[in-house]
Amino acid sequence: DAGVIQSPRHEVTEMGQEVTLRCKPISGHDYLFWYRQTMMRGLELLIYFNNNVPIDDSGMPEDRFSAKMPNASFSTLKIQPSEPRDSAVYFCASSFGQVGGYTFGSGTRLTVV
Amino acid sequence: SQQGEEDPQALSIQEGENATMNCSYKTSINNLQWYRQNSGRGLVHLILIRSNEREKHSGRLRVTLDTSKKSSSLLITASRAADTASYFCATLGGGADGLTFGKGTHLIIQP
Repeated sequence: DAGVIQSPRHEVTEMGQEVTLRCKPISGHDYLFWYRQTMMRGLELLIYFNNNVPIDDSGMPEDRFSAKMPNASFSTLKIQPSEPRDSAVYFCASSFGQVGGYTFGSGTRLTVV
Repeated sequence: SQQGEEDPQALSIQEGENATMNCSYKTSINNLQWYRQNSGRGLVHLILIRSNEREKHSGRLRVTLDTSKKSSSLLITASRAADTASYFCATLGGGADGLTFGKGTHLIIQP
C-alpha cells in the first residue's frame, strides 16, 4: 500500500478563494481523521469519520470549513472563503479501528495571502 | 485543547547517548501513543501503550506509563543522527474520540 495520500502538497491561495484539500486513506481502514498543525496551537483534530460517516466535527473552527467522505477511498476538506489565519499544515490520517495507531499522510501546506 | 504536554520542549544530545522525553496528561485514557515527525513530513507511529500496561519495548525504544501520575516517558537508547526529529505523545481518551496530541519535543542528535 502507498500509505495515506494527500494532495496537493503545497497550496498558495489568495484570501477569499475556495481551497479543497484531498485525501486517500489506506485501503481497509475504517477511520479517517483531519488534523491541522500550526506552531502556535500544535496538532488539532478537526473532524473524523467512521465508515464514511462524520462522527465528530466539533474541532472544525468555523462554518467556512467543511469535510466530506463520499466513499471509503476519498475525503475532502474544503475552506470557503479562505483567510490568512487558515495558513497551516493540514494532515489526513487513517486507522483500522478506533484504538490503534494512525497512519498519517505527508500533509498539505496551505498558505493564504 | 491540548491533552499531553511534553517535556523538554527541545533536547540536544551527542550521538550514542540515550534520550528521554516525558509526557503528562490530564484526563483518563484508553491508551497513549508516541509519534515521530521529521521536518516537513507527516507523523509516524512509533509505539502504543495501553492504560493497563506499565512498560513497553520496541527495538531501541522503551515507553513507560504511570496512570497514577498521568505521565509517560519515551527512552531512545544509543541515539543516532537519524533520530533527529520531533516526538509527540498522543492520548486516546476513554470516549475514544480521536487522538489528542501534545506540542512535541524537538530532539537533535549531534554527530
